[in-house]
Amino acid sequence: QVQLMQSEAEVRKPGASVKVSCKASEYAFTDFYMHWVRQAPGQGLEWMGWINTNTGGASYAQKFQGRVTMTRDTSISTAYLDLSSLRSDDTAVYFCARGLRGSYHLRADFWGQGTLVTVSS
Amino acid sequence: DIQMTQSPSSLSASVGDRVTITCRASQSISTYLIWYQQKPGKAPNLLIYGASSLQSGVPSRFSGSGSGTDFTLTISSLQPEDFAVYYCQHSYSSPPTFGQGTKVEIK
Repeated sequence: QVQLMQSEAEVRKPGASVKVSCKASEYAFTDFYMHWVRQAPGQGLEWMGWINTNTGGASYAQKFQGRVTMTRDTSISTAYLDLSSLRSDDTAVYFCARGLRGSYHLRADFWGQGTLVTVSS
Repeated sequence: DIQMTQSPSSLSASVGDRVTITCRASQSISTYLIWYQQKPGKAPNLLIYGASSLQSGVPSRFSGSGSGTDFTLTISSLQPEDFAVYYCQHSYSSPPTFGQGTKVEIK
């Protein structure tokens, strides 16, 4: 069964950075794009970007340009989300989600369990 | 960016009821429309893609329809496990965007 296992919850101060991991199992990691989606407390879903797990190329939502970096380590089938210059409104649950085979379009059939990132002084 | 607007924002229904949720796109997205279900504290679960294709393992009481700008998700006979928040999302272009969600509550 396909699984995406995310890292544990994090607490950061404003201005700091956070790195969230997403380890994939039971499928060919480099065949599928990985997306990151976040959800602020009590709010809806917000797409942040994708990474082509084969080439390492990435595309980010305009809102996060300059603050976000998505990377991957194919040797351990793990994708990473790095978010810098954190603000209080970055407090959210961050999800990784498997996209389509060979396409950047988002149709997320498997999701990680979510990682809560809390930004507080 | 394409805006996705769902209605209603919330609804109350009883077990066995037929429930319909609508989603409107700010421009035509053909049938590049996806529906997810999300329960409290959990990740979203893919229900419908391509506006009307049922994801594997999803009960047949869920169905989707529409094309262009107007779409619907229908639950033919609401079950206790269907009380959740439902989101639409377009995959027509980048960035993909989500509707604000529709909360289905117990009457």
